[in-house]
Amino acid sequence: AQTVTQSQPEMSVQEAETVTLSCTYDTSESDYYLFWYKQPPSRQMILVIRQEAYKQQNATENRFSVNFQKAAKSFSLKISDSQLGDAAMYFCAYRITGNQFYFGTGTSLTVIP
Amino acid sequence: EAGVAQSPRYKIIEKRQSVAFWCNPISGHATLYWYQQILGQGPKLLIQFQNNGVVDDSQLPKDRFSAERLKGVDSTLKIQPAKLEDSAVYLCASSVPGLAGISEQFFGPGTRLTVL
Repeated sequence: AQTVTQSQPEMSVQEAETVTLSCTYDTSESDYYLFWYKQPPSRQMILVIRQEAYKQQNATENRFSVNFQKAAKSFSLKISDSQLGDAAMYFCAYRITGNQFYFGTGTSLTVIP
Repeated sequence: EAGVAQSPRYKIIEKRQSVAFWCNPISGHATLYWYQQILGQGPKLLIQFQNNGVVDDSQLPKDRFSAERLKGVDSTLKIQPAKLEDSAVYLCASSVPGLAGISEQFFGPGTRLTVL
């Protein structure tokens, strides 16, 4: 069974600092996709960043980057220069081609001014 | 472009009543998903449509939940009869069937259901 684990229910970071959110997953597949979604208090989920498992290079989107460790089945999200607008729930998700997404339980990020 | 639309935004019902949710995906998105998000948990897929056909409904409690997407565009999710444990946010998402599964899902604002 596919599972996604986010071991940090809550995290906080000072504005302008860097924070890393952890995610591990369990799979027997070799070809899959990983995602980080952000869900602000308004509850509309938006995609932050995605990573194809066959790519060795870590994905980067502006201030957001991932540390993808395939052997360890780890997919952490680093947010640099944190901003107040980064405060939200962050969900890690996993997907096999054509199949459903599996989401973790989320990490609530607070940004301290 | 317009986003995924959902209605109603909030619904309060008593247990054993029926309720229906509506979703209109982004124009041109062939794939539509319904998720249940219980407070403190991540979204759980209930059903996935490709056009008007069901791709995956393995986690849909079929004794009480039903969903349809008759014309391959908008969709309704129904609960009949509702139970207390159905209290959750119901999220609709849509995507274009992209290359090798990397297509992004676009989510609607959700419907918050409270069952009393």
